[in-house]
Amino acid sequence: GAGVSQTPSNKVTEKGKYVELRCDPISGHTALYWYRQSLGQGPEFLIYFQGTGAADDSGLPNDRFFAVRPEGSVSTLKIQRTERGDSAVYLCASSLRGQGGWRDPYEQYFGPGTRLTVT
Amino acid sequence: GDSVTQMEGPVTLSEEAFLTINCTYTATGYPSLFWYVQYPGEGLQLLLKATKADDKGSNKGFEATYRKETTSFHLEKGSVQVSDSAVYFCALSSLSGGSNYKLTFGKGTLLTVNP
Repeated sequence: GAGVSQTPSNKVTEKGKYVELRCDPISGHTALYWYRQSLGQGPEFLIYFQGTGAADDSGLPNDRFFAVRPEGSVSTLKIQRTERGDSAVYLCASSLRGQGGWRDPYEQYFGPGTRLTVT
Repeated sequence: GDSVTQMEGPVTLSEEAFLTINCTYTATGYPSLFWYVQYPGEGLQLLLKATKADDKGSNKGFEATYRKETTSFHLEKGSVQVSDSAVYFCALSSLSGGSNYKLTFGKGTLLTVNP
């Protein structure tokens, strides 16, 4: 079946501009995660959705970052007034459920990522 | 907070050599542990996982054992192939804020296997 898809695959924007990054999760997956991977680093958590609601946005670096998932499927990560430090690969992952029993981690399936470059 | 420390690379081996990539973690609670792999030009893929102490995860000839006493989850493979060349990430998952099983990753280790 179809995996997690992300668009665009590459985005180049000028400092100060607004960008939107899209994630299409695996059908039926209610949990959706955004991560950011800077060069030479591992992915870092940004935000978690369970259904339509952002259940945990503690990883968003500041208020220029916002994400939505209005119908509980597709999610959009929005970055306002982009800065050069925002350049990174933005990864989306989905899992069947985010809420499991004790020590019951549902596998997260990752998309290919969007490489954002702010010039 | 949670953290993962893994062996810094790059690691370069000849085909059929033995591989170890060290990984240690710090976590509150009782995390699950993972190794993810990122092949050139591809997305992150789960390689193996372990959910409790002394569990051994294995896949494609790779193994890792969850050692609670040493807070470690070292990745091993007895005989690497050129096709194993990739970046390997150690990660943990622990319950955060209700139902969030977010992953905390190490920095990754680049493995290159030469023929």
